[in-house]
Amino acid sequence: AQRVTQPEKLLSVFKGAPVELKCNYSYSGSPELFWYVQYSRQRLQLLLRHISRESIKGFTADLNKGETSFHLKKPFAQEEDSAMYYCALTGGSNYKLTFGKGTLLTVNP
Amino acid sequence: DAGVIQSPRHEVTEMGQEVTLRCKPISGHNSLFWYRQTMMRGLELLIYFNNNVPIDDSGMPEDRFSAKMPNASFSTLKIQPSEPRDSAVYFCASILGGGVNEQFFGPGTRLTVL
Repeated sequence: AQRVTQPEKLLSVFKGAPVELKCNYSYSGSPELFWYVQYSRQRLQLLLRHISRESIKGFTADLNKGETSFHLKKPFAQEEDSAMYYCALTGGSNYKLTFGKGTLLTVNP
Repeated sequence: DAGVIQSPRHEVTEMGQEVTLRCKPISGHNSLFWYRQTMMRGLELLIYFNNNVPIDDSGMPEDRFSAKMPNASFSTLKIQPSEPRDSAVYFCASILGGGVNEQFFGPGTRLTVL
């Protein structure tokens, strides 16, 4: 069974502060992990995926198989980062994407 | 491409009524997903289709829910009869290829059942 846990429903930081959104997963095989973001009044969209090993909008995420985690990090938060963030997992060979319950990030001025 | 299209954007209905939500995936995408989003449960996968065939409907809450994909460019999610606890935002998403690729989401349908 696939399971994704985002322990924080709400996260509030000040502009310029570092931010880390936590994500832990449970999956018996080799997972593919993603972060999706939903800005206010916009569609849910892909932020980054672990196989790309890229930094998007200053965000990075490293897959730690030992800790079964895929935390999203940014060294200096911006107000425009305020959004709902979802961590998601797929087993790769199937098409099913399992989402966490999401973390609402608020970046205060 | 306009992306994934959903209609209606908002639906308010009374308990017991039939509700039909519609989705047009991105042209050429071969998989389509229906999700439900609520504050309590987050984003839940209800059902997904691959090449118009339902693959996994284990997320469909009960027999009141049904989904069809008669062709590659159209899908419906039907709730009959609707109940207040069905109130949520329903998203449709489509994808080209396998699960490692990006899912493209529609704008969602906000359903309120009174």
